[in-house]
Amino acid sequence: AQKVTQAQTEISVVEKEDVTLDCVYETRDTTYYLFWYKQPPSGELVFLIRRNSFDEQNEISGRYSWNFQKSTSSFNFTITASQVVDSAVYFCALSGNSGYALNFGKGTSLLVTP
Amino acid sequence: DARVTQTPRHKVTEMGQEVTMRCQPILGHNTVFWYRQTMMQGLELLAYFRNRAPLDDSGMPKDRFSAEMPDATLATLKIQPSEPRDSAVYFCASGGAGDLSYEQYFGPGTRLTVT
Repeated sequence: AQKVTQAQTEISVVEKEDVTLDCVYETRDTTYYLFWYKQPPSGELVFLIRRNSFDEQNEISGRYSWNFQKSTSSFNFTITASQVVDSAVYFCALSGNSGYALNFGKGTSLLVTP
Repeated sequence: DARVTQTPRHKVTEMGQEVTMRCQPILGHNTVFWYRQTMMQGLELLAYFRNRAPLDDSGMPKDRFSAEMPDATLATLKIQPSEPRDSAVYFCASGGAGDLSYEQYFGPGTRLTVT
């Protein structure tokens, strides 16, 4: 069975602070993919990143960075110098050998205040 | 700018009525997914198709839900009869062929309220 745990339900930060969203996953698959999606207040789900299980390189995209560690089954997401527009619910998700469907965590609601 | 489209965006209906939700996947994508989002359960998979054939519908209540892809540009999700517990946001997502099926792009969702 696959499981994604986002232990942080809600996080509140002040603009320009750095914030890290945690994601821990469980899977028996040897090949799997990890994802982050953003859901702003408007409700749509926005794809942010996909990472496969063989690529443990960290990735940086602008103010966003992702840290993938297989040893701890974690795929954490850091926003540097947060902005009000970053306020959203962020979902971590997992997909494995059994198919392409995504197993989502419960999400972390991030509030960035001015 | 290719996007997944869903109609209607909002639907309010009475218990017992039939509800049909429609999705147009991104042109060229051959994998289509239906997810449901509720406060209690979060985001959960209902069904998905590849090349219009259903691959997995284990997440769908079979007695009242049905999903089809009449053609490559249209996916439908029907609920008959609807119940208040079906109130949720229903998302359609599409993905490319092969390995790209893992990269799913979501539509704006249909917010369903059953009274």
